[in-house]
Amino acid sequence: EVQLVESGGGLVKPGESLRISCTGSGLAFSHAWITWVRQAPGKGLEWVGRIKAKTQNEETHYAAPVRDRVTISRDDSKDTVYLQMNNLKSDDTGIYFCTTEYWGRGEYWGHGALVTVSS
Amino acid sequence: EIVLTQSPDTLSLSPGETATLSCRASQSVNNIFLTWYQQKPGQAPRVLIYGASTRATGIPDRFSGSGSGTDFTLTIGSLQPEDFAVYYCQQYSDSPPSWTFGQGTRVDSK
Repeated sequence: EVQLVESGGGLVKPGESLRISCTGSGLAFSHAWITWVRQAPGKGLEWVGRIKAKTQNEETHYAAPVRDRVTISRDDSKDTVYLQMNNLKSDDTGIYFCTTEYWGRGEYWGHGALVTVSS
Repeated sequence: EIVLTQSPDTLSLSPGETATLSCRASQSVNNIFLTWYQQKPGQAPRVLIYGASTRATGIPDRFSGSGSGTDFTLTIGSLQPEDFAVYYCQQYSDSPPSWTFGQGTRVDSK
């Protein structure tokens, strides 16, 4: 059974940084493209960015609203992808989901990590 | 960036009725990359339909997708109690690579 588990969410102050992890099991993680999607409280889904597999040079792409503040990386030895977020703002508050991307869609999803940005 | 607009925002229906959800794109979408998700409170989204019209594994046949170009439809025939949820359409573009979601349609029990 494929499982993705996010961790590392929490309460941070505006301007601070946070790194969320997404750890996979039950799949060939090193071959997986991993996408991050977030959801503000009571709102819809928003694409954050993605990282391709090592065989595609771990190429990354980011959504315009976060491009200057976000970095996605991976450590396949730990079956983990990271979402590093800097200079966090209140608008970044929400649940952050990781998902395996397959043909432009999210196939398997984690349960999400809650990030709250508040002073 | 391709913008997806879903309508209506909310659909209030009774069990057994048919739900018709619309997703309109600001530019033509490659059918291969049009996906419908269902999301229930406290849960991650799950794929219902991909490639505009192909049901994902384990999805009941009361769910169907259709459309092409800029207009797509998700139809839920004979609503079951477990179908009351929020539904999102999503598209993928590769120039530059990005996903966009519609704002969602909530299907409520009347």
